Amino acid sequence: GAGVSQSPRYKVAKRGQDVALRCDPISGHVSLFWYQQALGQGPEFLTYFQNEAQLDKSGLPSDRFFAERPEGSVSTLKIQRTQQEDSAVYLCASSLTTSNTEAFFGQGTRLTVV
Amino acid sequence: DQQVKQNSPSLSVQEGRISILNCDYTNSMFDYFLWYKKYPAEGPTFLISISSIKDKNEDGRFTVFLNKSAKHLSLHIVPSQPGDSAVYFCAASALWMRFGAGTRLTVKP
Repeated sequence: GAGVSQSPRYKVAKRGQDVALRCDPISGHVSLFWYQQALGQGPEFLTYFQNEAQLDKSGLPSDRFFAERPEGSVSTLKIQRTQQEDSAVYLCASSLTTSNTEAFFGQGTRLTVV
Repeated sequence: DQQVKQNSPSLSVQEGRISILNCDYTNSMFDYFLWYKKYPAEGPTFLISISSIKDKNEDGRFTVFLNKSAKHLSLHIVPSQPGDSAVYFCAASALWMRFGAGTRLTVKP
């Protein structure tokens, strides 16, 4: 596809369950970002990759959050032992270059922890 | 800490008039500024951007103004159309983007 693709679109997890969220960036895009968006808020930075290198993970809220991009394309955001406060929309964005002058977002994954 | 602020949660304008959305930032290290539009249940859509070395960028009905001394940017939409009704986020970038909380724009026919 031409855009950033995220799956699943919706995920309901029981508290304590592990989840994995997938992001397929635009082909050839070097930079990939994960954001968390709570209701009524702007997206909050989680982590940033340049190709397969995770250059910044300062936004990950706890060590239960883990992201990888092993081959420099598809990325997975994993949340272990989910808690109710993890409920949010998780957005992935990609950018062609490292200058991040224009990043394109996927539709997001809405995670609900019950 | 909130490095990017959009102080108006909502704005309502009449179709055909100008919409002005405002954004303030605190960090002078930001080198790029962007505006995104978001419809419900969709991801943010890139609208327009501006480099910190410029003070104005125009794309059709959309113009972004940057005042570095005031650490302020604004998005002007002229003329406003009902299809412009959405939530608008400003973002400031230094390696990665930091977003404001958004302004909900409603354009009334």
